[in-house]
Amino acid sequence: EAGVAQSPRYKIIEKRQSVAFWCNPISGHATLYWYQQILGQGPKLLIQFQNNGVVDDSQLPKDRFSAERLKGVDSTLKIQPAKLEDSAVYLCASSLDGTGAGPPTDTQYFGPGTRLTVL
Amino acid sequence: AQTVTQSQPEMSVQEAETVTLSCTYDTSENNYYLFWYKQPPSRQMILVIRQEAYKQQNATENRFSVNFQKAAKSFSLKISDSQLGDTAMYFCAFVRGGSNYKLTFGKGTLLTVNP
Repeated sequence: EAGVAQSPRYKIIEKRQSVAFWCNPISGHATLYWYQQILGQGPKLLIQFQNNGVVDDSQLPKDRFSAERLKGVDSTLKIQPAKLEDSAVYLCASSLDGTGAGPPTDTQYFGPGTRLTVL
Repeated sequence: AQTVTQSQPEMSVQEAETVTLSCTYDTSENNYYLFWYKQPPSRQMILVIRQEAYKQQNATENRFSVNFQKAAKSFSLKISDSQLGDTAMYFCAFVRGGSNYKLTFGKGTLLTVNP
């Protein structure tokens, strides 16, 4: 079974530039998550999709970050314009069903991440 | 809001020995779940073990086991017979039951297994 795919793996940009990350979840997984992992910290959830609808985006800096999940499969996360503090690893994860309808024994599978450096 | 604290930024252990990683959490919820995730160097994060708060029995997965102390809000991970491949960042995580499974992570513990 193919895992969660992300691209690019590394990206270096100047501040105020734009950048986009792509994620392809495991086939059949309804729920997709984007996390931000700053060096020395644990991942922080930015946004969660259930199919193509947003479940939680309470920690997404909406003035500069946007995300979409067209057709409930692939997803893109965009930053425009980037700031120095956006330097981090951006992780994508997927699970079969993260709706909270039952016990969360549903495992989140993580991709390899995209390491973003903003200069 | 829930918080997860891992007080050991780094730990090391000799191959074949046992090591325990600490985690404490703060919540007013009674229905929740706890997890340990492993993130090897330059590799994907994977789930190591999970614990349901309503279960008194501690979870075990092969060489990995937890010591869940609900009253103390403590959730430590014990790795027995440590192997070189156990070298990784270990994250403790919390999710509130009945929610959208939003994971709250600790800052992690870097475990190095020495030959």
